[in-house]
Amino acid sequence: GIQVEQSPPDLILQEGANSTLRCNFSDSVNNLQWFHQNPWGQLINLFYIPSGTKQNGRLSATTVATERYSLLYISSSQTTDSGVYFCAVSIQGAQKLVFGQGTRLTINP
Amino acid sequence: ETGVTQSPTHLIKTRGQQVTLRCSSQSGHNTVSWYQQALGQGPQFIFQYYREEENGRGNFPPRFSGLQFPNYSSELNVNALELDDSALYLCASSFGSEGEQYFGPGTRLTVT
Repeated sequence: GIQVEQSPPDLILQEGANSTLRCNFSDSVNNLQWFHQNPWGQLINLFYIPSGTKQNGRLSATTVATERYSLLYISSSQTTDSGVYFCAVSIQGAQKLVFGQGTRLTINP
Repeated sequence: ETGVTQSPTHLIKTRGQQVTLRCSSQSGHNTVSWYQQALGQGPQFIFQYYREEENGRGNFPPRFSGLQFPNYSSELNVNALELDDSALYLCASSFGSEGEQYFGPGTRLTVT
């Protein structure tokens, strides 16, 4: 099955810093989603981005489908950005999302 | 627009018991997928329900079963609970079986 690798596994930054999270996947995908898991466990949708670039406030994402990776950018980090960020993909004809192991982001004041 | 809801929030069961978890899909969505998330791991796909039928299943034993109702809400049933079933159970809804998935807040199950 498709493999999803996220890097780095852990990232500790000071408030105001910028960060880049990476997601590599092993096959062509028709769905790629980025999530932020809050401290209570809920997965918050950030981007639905099987290809191209999207921006939403301080967050942006780029997926290069031909090279099988996606990047999530967070600018001017705030303490509320702390948590685990997951990338999840699915291939054509498959119903399931396959998740990476996540990147744990800690933003210190 | 109502988001995905799940009940109960927390649940404690004893090994060997049975449990039922519930999920209401987001308005306008007709597909529900269930995931299990162990501590420190990414969510793992259990199964998906589309048009009231199971439409894809992950690597979970038959004691994990489900239902989808005409209003698109869904139940996850787990029989003969084992200690390893302790996890966060997440439900996601989408429009169509391959659409963008939106997750509920989860049910945290503890098996003692």
